Amino acid sequence: QVQLQESGPGLVKPSQTLSLTCTVSGGSISSGDYYWSWIRQPPGKGLEWIGYIYYSGSTYYNPSLKSRVTISVDTSKNQFSLKLSSVTAADTAVYYCAREGGGMDVWGQGTTVTVSS
Amino acid sequence: EIVLTQSPATLSLSPGERATLSCRASQSVSSYLAWYQQKPGQAPRLLIYDASNRATGIPARFSGSGSGTDFTLTISSLEPEDFAVYYCQQRSNWPHTFGQGTKLEIK
Repeated sequence: QVQLQESGPGLVKPSQTLSLTCTVSGGSISSGDYYWSWIRQPPGKGLEWIGYIYYSGSTYYNPSLKSRVTISVDTSKNQFSLKLSSVTAADTAVYYCAREGGGMDVWGQGTTVTVSS
Repeated sequence: EIVLTQSPATLSLSPGERATLSCRASQSVSSYLAWYQQKPGQAPRLLIYDASNRATGIPARFSGSGSGTDFTLTISSLEPEDFAVYYCQQRSNWPHTFGQGTKLEIK
């Protein structure tokens, strides 16, 4: 079955760029049936949808983060990535990647990113 | 952006009871609404997609209904493992927004 795994630094300094990668296993990111999304959850709070990428490279970003977000895909590695620039403490959260079709039916386990000097 | 409002914020019930959770959208999302369950320290799990379709492996005690702006998640008879936080999410318009969550706690 399809599995997703996030990876990347757990600590990022303020004003720097947060970079995470989601590796897809057990299926192809190029299948064309799904969007590949990033979601985050600040400590003790709810879920915030960050954006998605399609295997073709088309993207959509949450307008609240659009100026700072870049999502890219590497179909040869079956991975997609998130970059969030100019981070502040408000970007501290658990970051999830997920496969989205009719709903988000496959999620990574999540990775905690703390923004602190 | 479509705003999803979930109610109640907290629901206190006992095992065996029926749970009814509500999600209201600020504008019509047709039937493009999903429900998720999240337990502490875990990723959310998809329960219901497109308002009323159970995801793979989800027990029959979970059901979803509604269309347009008003949606309901019903758990017919609560099991101990059902106590968690529940989120709704719409995929009618970008960005795909989530509700703020309903915490289902043991009474």
